[in-house]
Amino acid sequence: NAGVTQTPKFRVLKTGQSMTLLCAQDMNHEYMYWYRQDPGMGLRLIHYSVGEGTTAKGEVPDGYNVSRLKKQNFLLGLESAAPSQTSVYFCASRDPTYEQYFGPGTRLTVT
Amino acid sequence: DAKTTQPTSMDCAEGRAANLPCNHSTISGNEYVYWYRQIHSQGPQYIIHGLKNNETNEMASLIITEDRKSSTLILPHATLRDTAVYYCIVFMNNNAGNMLTFGGGTRLMVKP
Repeated sequence: NAGVTQTPKFRVLKTGQSMTLLCAQDMNHEYMYWYRQDPGMGLRLIHYSVGEGTTAKGEVPDGYNVSRLKKQNFLLGLESAAPSQTSVYFCASRDPTYEQYFGPGTRLTVT
Repeated sequence: DAKTTQPTSMDCAEGRAANLPCNHSTISGNEYVYWYRQIHSQGPQYIIHGLKNNETNEMASLIITEDRKSSTLILPHATLRDTAVYYCIVFMNNNAGNMLTFGGGTRLMVKP
């Protein structure tokens, strides 16, 4: 199993540009999550999904959209990037014992 | 979900036991205590969790006080690779998304 993978690993955007971050898991997990982590801080939840076709807002959802068209994929979109969205983005999925498995992260810089 | 309080940083000598404390004085009866760690630049990694009883696995032991207001994560023989930020999290195991709320964690430095 590859576990949780994230694409891309690094990205630099200019203010106002858009992009989509892809998260994929091969463990057949229902629950998936997107977090962001700013320097020296803990992770904060952006959006999550409890199953295919469903999404919900987390702690810091503004400026982001998500989609879960397939069970194994959870996409995070930035429609108009801002410097405040410079961060490391982590995706996770949850197993039936409530353990969360995290991907390696995507480092995003918005100039 | 209950909040947790952890020391900002700790040092430990290689080969010694690392004891990481966590206070969760407002924990409710059906909330679990979870520990994750984050090695530099990587995604967080699950370590262990418990409700009331002490727990042990191949990575660590978790000691929960009888009143459940605090707990200690024990790494029995710390190695340099255990240098990481350790997060103590409490939350309910239900089907409402199970959002993990990460605080600042404890930065553990294992020294030779």
